[in-house]
Amino acid sequence: LAKTTQPISMDSYEGQEVNITCSHNNIATNDYITWYQQFPSQGPRFIIQGYKTKVTNEVASLFIPADRKSSTLSLPRVSLSDTAVYYCLVGDISGSARQLTFGSGTQLTVLP
Amino acid sequence: DSGVTQTPKHLITATGQRVTLRCSPRSGDLSVYWYQQSLDQGLQFLIQYYNGEERAKGNILERFSAQQFPDLHSELNLSSLELGDSALYFCASSADPRTDSYGYTFGSGTRLTVV
Repeated sequence: LAKTTQPISMDSYEGQEVNITCSHNNIATNDYITWYQQFPSQGPRFIIQGYKTKVTNEVASLFIPADRKSSTLSLPRVSLSDTAVYYCLVGDISGSARQLTFGSGTQLTVLP
Repeated sequence: DSGVTQTPKHLITATGQRVTLRCSPRSGDLSVYWYQQSLDQGLQFLIQYYNGEERAKGNILERFSAQQFPDLHSELNLSSLELGDSALYFCASSADPRTDSYGYTFGSGTRLTVV
């Protein structure tokens, strides 16, 4: 399983764009990159997933360079309610056996 | 509501006891995953079931066991409980993992307190 490294914490202000970068130097060919959001005492919530280049949905964008050794989650115009822990996961989602491993995550604090 | 239902929401029990946590996956999802989240260990993958069969095993203690029933709900059994087992236990589900690439849906968890 590819190990991921992301900042422990980040602060931002309301209305700003936030970019959280995750390093995954030993990502394997079959690995996808997935980001989750978790609020205190709640289960993680799927945000976005990608394999290469750029993926965008109504919540966030995910940028993945050609070498796939890192990825950046971009949250546009954050609000106070975006304060949460964000996890970057890398794992092989092919086959029926799954074992997505959560790292320590990034605590994002959005300030007024 | 994520569609994944976990019961009970809170559980307080004494050391040495046995408890059962229950999870009903989102309708149509075949896979169930169990995670443990404690303050010092983060989210730890315990075990995965797919359509009734065990498919992947993580850091699950021998005192813990799980199963997935024909109606696809799953139970996590924790026995000989220790203080260190106090944690949030999450269940997640996903559709057929052979085709589903959109991640897991997590329940709201069961908070277990061992006293």
